[in-house]
Amino acid sequence: NAGVTQTPKFRILKIGQSMTLQCTQDMNHNYMYWYRQDPGMGLKLIYYSVGAGITDKGEVPNGYNVSRSTTEDFPLRLELAAPSQTSVYFCASKRGGNTEAFFGQGTRLTVV
Amino acid sequence: GQQLNQSPQSMFIQEGEDVSMNCTSSSIFNTWLWYKQDPGEGPVLLIALYKAGELTSNGRLTAQFGITRKDSFLNISASIPSDVGIYFCAGRSTGNQFYFGTGTSLTVIP
Repeated sequence: NAGVTQTPKFRILKIGQSMTLQCTQDMNHNYMYWYRQDPGMGLKLIYYSVGAGITDKGEVPNGYNVSRSTTEDFPLRLELAAPSQTSVYFCASKRGGNTEAFFGQGTRLTVV
Repeated sequence: GQQLNQSPQSMFIQEGEDVSMNCTSSSIFNTWLWYKQDPGEGPVLLIALYKAGELTSNGRLTAQFGITRKDSFLNISASIPSDVGIYFCAGRSTGNQFYFGTGTSLTVIP
């Protein structure tokens, strides 16, 4: 019953460092999403993917990159971390069509 | 991006009271979802709505997909302490993206 798994759960980065947030799902879902959630706010879409090899920008893609080489994995890459990227990051997946999305538990990232 | 207006922003209610919150959009949506988020956790789906006018219940929760397809509401009856959390609406239009409201923070006072 793993569902959507995100690692790490917490991370502190220095300005200018890079890191990859990992997301994997075992439900064979086609669609995967990365959101960020700032304090007191809703979720903003960073990138999404409708299947392996296909990625698209969401509302707030600047400063991030993604790849989708397999159905299961959808890593999010920060190349040059900035304080504005301090946030909680959520990965989600859904089967496709008119179905609901399932979320991971989040990665809390602080850039100092 | 799409703007979803969710209200109220926060609610403080007595245990046993009913709760109502709603979400409105400037655009038409084909899907409305309601999620609950506990501190330090990811959002968990409560109810999914796929048709205009649809009224769906999940235990003490009831949600409706507005006829205009631009709004949805969530009701919680007979609130209990474990209902505490942040409730988010989310909508999808014709694309593959879900847009989220800013959340309603619910506090239940025993």
